[in-house]
Amino acid sequence: GESVGLHLPTLSVQEGDNSIINCAYSNSASDYFIWYKQESGKGPQFIIDIRSNMDKRQGQRVTVLLNKTVKHLSLQIAATQPGDSAVYFCAEVWGNTPLVFGKGTRLSVIA
Amino acid sequence: DAGVTQSPTHLIKTRGQQVTLRCSPKSGHDTVSWYQQALGQGPQFIFQYYEEEERQRGNFPDRFSGHQFPNYSSELNVNALLLGDSALYLCASSLGAGTGYMLTEQFFGPGTRLTVL
Repeated sequence: GESVGLHLPTLSVQEGDNSIINCAYSNSASDYFIWYKQESGKGPQFIIDIRSNMDKRQGQRVTVLLNKTVKHLSLQIAATQPGDSAVYFCAEVWGNTPLVFGKGTRLSVIA
Repeated sequence: DAGVTQSPTHLIKTRGQQVTLRCSPKSGHDTVSWYQQALGQGPQFIFQYYEEEERQRGNFPDRFSGHQFPNYSSELNVNALLLGDSALYLCASSLGAGTGYMLTEQFFGPGTRLTVL
């Protein structure tokens, strides 16, 4: 399949542990943030989003935290599974502008 | 529902040639956005089509052009290919760009891997 991130930072976690993936975003005016998961050979897949008027949002096994003071976003994955292995991207939006993606982090789950 | 489909899967061209990539949006979607993803990078927005018109454009030269058809499918054309155009080209579909809000949930296709030699 496609290799989408040969030179990305890599996070290796043991199966069953929690994962935390971090992202520093660029624009203090950004008002909407999204985390995407990209598996080999596939396009990015929406995981969870958060608006700038929130600092935390939870989904199924995932939580996104937003710290606007330091322009930092994190994605927490609980009880990480082998199927979570992928490249994860954060993306930011301000107003009506297009998505701006970060560089991505490769998550490798050790069984 | 087939989701977003793109063709071809892979393509090899030489410098100076022209290429056309195709995208069919998810059923019910009327808006198509194109992204370029270089190896090891996040996707970069090229442009968005809605109602057969280019609505927004990223920082890409005029060599990159597109088209949207009445059935909402779309093409991306790149002229005078450069080595640096080698990348994964992603198409994303969504609904309602005409509402003035650029971002509704976008569904991405698997991409077309373009290699320029």
